[in-house]
Amino acid sequence: EVQLVESGGGLVQPGGSLRLSCAASGFTFSRSWMTWVRQAPGKGLELVANINEDGSGKYYVGSVRGRFTISRDNARNSLYLQMDSLGAEDTAIYYCARDFSTGALDHWGPGTLVTVSS
Amino acid sequence: DIQLTQSPSSLSASVGDRVTISCRATENIIKYLNWFQQKPGKAPNLLIYTTSNLQSGVPPRFSGSGSGTDFTLTISGLQPEDFATYYCQQGYTTPQTFGQGTEVEVK
Repeated sequence: EVQLVESGGGLVQPGGSLRLSCAASGFTFSRSWMTWVRQAPGKGLELVANINEDGSGKYYVGSVRGRFTISRDNARNSLYLQMDSLGAEDTAIYYCARDFSTGALDHWGPGTLVTVSS
Repeated sequence: DIQLTQSPSSLSASVGDRVTISCRATENIIKYLNWFQQKPGKAPNLLIYTTSNLQSGVPPRFSGSGSGTDFTLTISGLQPEDFATYYCQQGYTTPQTFGQGTEVEVK
């Protein structure tokens, strides 16, 4: 059974940093594109970043480029999102998801809440 | 970035109704359009990928069509568990953007 579990969310002050993790199991992690998607309270979905199988290709939405870094450790079956210079606009539930085909995100974690507030 | 516009933003329907949701892209995305369902407090669930392919476990009352810039999700015979928010997403180019969502409410 495919499982994705995010961790690392919480309350952080504006300008601060946070590192999210996603533990994957039940599939060959090293053969899958992986994605971070976020959802601000009461709002729609926004794809934040994704990464190819070996980590050599990384893509970001414009609003986080230069502040967030996606990475992965295939030996640990783990996906990460380093978030720096956080602002109130980054407050959201952050989901990790597996991309099995051109953006078709077929498995999602339950999400982790990031709140940026003083 | 490619923008996706869904219409309507919300709709009211009854059990048994046929529901159609549209998604229009600002550029040609060929066939790389996916549909997700999301219920309150839950992660989204993939319904249809690459325009018309039904994800495993999804009931056949869900179907998708379209190409280029115009796509449609159809629910044939709305069921109580289908009241939710639906999102389209393009997988043609990064960043793989989502539509703003369509909320399907009880009439």
